Amino acid sequence: ETGVTQTPRHLVMGMTNKKSLKCEQHLGHNAMYWYKQSAKKPLELMFVYSLEERVENNSVPSRFSPECPNSSHLFLHLHTLQPEDSALYLCASSQKIGPSNQPQHFGDGTRLSIL
Amino acid sequence: KQEVTQIPAALSVPEGENLVLNCSFTDSAIYNLQWFRQDPGKGLTSLLLIQSSQREQTSGRLNASLDKSSGRSTLYIAASQPGDSATYLCAVRRAAGNKLTFGGGTRVLVKP
Repeated sequence: ETGVTQTPRHLVMGMTNKKSLKCEQHLGHNAMYWYKQSAKKPLELMFVYSLEERVENNSVPSRFSPECPNSSHLFLHLHTLQPEDSALYLCASSQKIGPSNQPQHFGDGTRLSIL
Repeated sequence: KQEVTQIPAALSVPEGENLVLNCSFTDSAIYNLQWFRQDPGKGLTSLLLIQSSQREQTSGRLNASLDKSSGRSTLYIAASQPGDSATYLCAVRRAAGNKLTFGGGTRVLVKP
């Protein structure tokens, strides 16, 4: 496989459930990102990881918990979510963090629906 | 705080017509600007990346211009085809840090 792969593609969960989103990149990149895309709102950066270390958290509620066990894998653990958390969650990777003219590569996202 | 605006939010054109998509940003201290394409239910595909020192970038039927001082970029798609139907997003990267700030996108429909 090549590129950035996200699983599952679709997820429906209740507010009291705990689930995890998975992202895997096969590009040899050192930086990985989680974005949230809600209806009628621009794409928002949630977290940035560089070499498995979290370098940025954009005021994301603690009910979202990221994990980066190695430079190829990124998880987003979810618990006690709210209906407004329903969105498309996109993972991206890039060669490195910081100012760069290398583009970010995106996965196809996980469509999350909270009942 | 950087804000990125894309107008119009939606655009419908007949096949063969040229497309003009606009992106404006409030803070001109950018490192680069990227145009992406997003198909329904899919992730983003990078189309063009313009460095802050460049005025334009071209790839096939696509041409993107950048006027950093006025905070504007325009994506031109020549001789549009139904396969060009998608949402087009622009994003700016600031000079420091990791953040891409996205516009709300322009949803394009090219009618056969």
